[in-house]
Amino acid sequence: SAVISQKPSRDICQRGTSLTIQCQVDSQVTMMFWYRQQPGQSLTLIATANQGSEATYESGFVIDKFPISRPNLTFSTLTVSNMSPEDSSIYLCSVAEFNTGELFFGEGSRLTVL
Amino acid sequence: GDSVTQMEGPVTLSEEACLTINCTYTATGYPSLFWYVQYPGEGLQLLLKATKADDKGSNKGFEATYRKETTSFHLEKGSVQVSDSAVYFCALSSNDMRFGAGTRLTVKP
Repeated sequence: SAVISQKPSRDICQRGTSLTIQCQVDSQVTMMFWYRQQPGQSLTLIATANQGSEATYESGFVIDKFPISRPNLTFSTLTVSNMSPEDSSIYLCSVAEFNTGELFFGEGSRLTVL
Repeated sequence: GDSVTQMEGPVTLSEEACLTINCTYTATGYPSLFWYVQYPGEGLQLLLKATKADDKGSNKGFEATYRKETTSFHLEKGSVQVSDSAVYFCALSSNDMRFGAGTRLTVKP
């Protein structure tokens, strides 16, 4: 299993600002995943972050809005840019177990945009 | 593409009642199947999993059996407790992880 630490755990942000969420894993992993969970909703995959290459974004998500860094095999950041109230969500970092595909999650970063 | 459909809630039960949350899936290959649980104010935790047909995952009194013939992975518990109140997500993993919509369970004393 993997232990994943995210910060901040929660934040309240002003419209138009940007916030960077950090994700640290206790082991080296090839792929890291960023999910969004809007209030009362399920998880939606934003992008897959591979070390040494550009992140792969899912339909409806773009790099200008959600830039991702992956400088090494244990760390990634997700930035939510030019925030609006619609960006108020929980953002989750996760990694997958190779054989089964089981995902391990961080505790999430709860963003509220005013 | 691959997808998961689960029973939407909310579900409200009395303590010691039986629980079933239905989950069916559509997949082109042979995915692994999971149930995740999200307790109030917390992140997602794996509850149980099954990696091939006829496997039964179990944990904390919860069970789910991977049924290939009915493409289902229903979550069951014979006697729920107040502490089981949470949101439950069915998920499948093939090329990536797909989650169901989530089912909110409230157990009343």
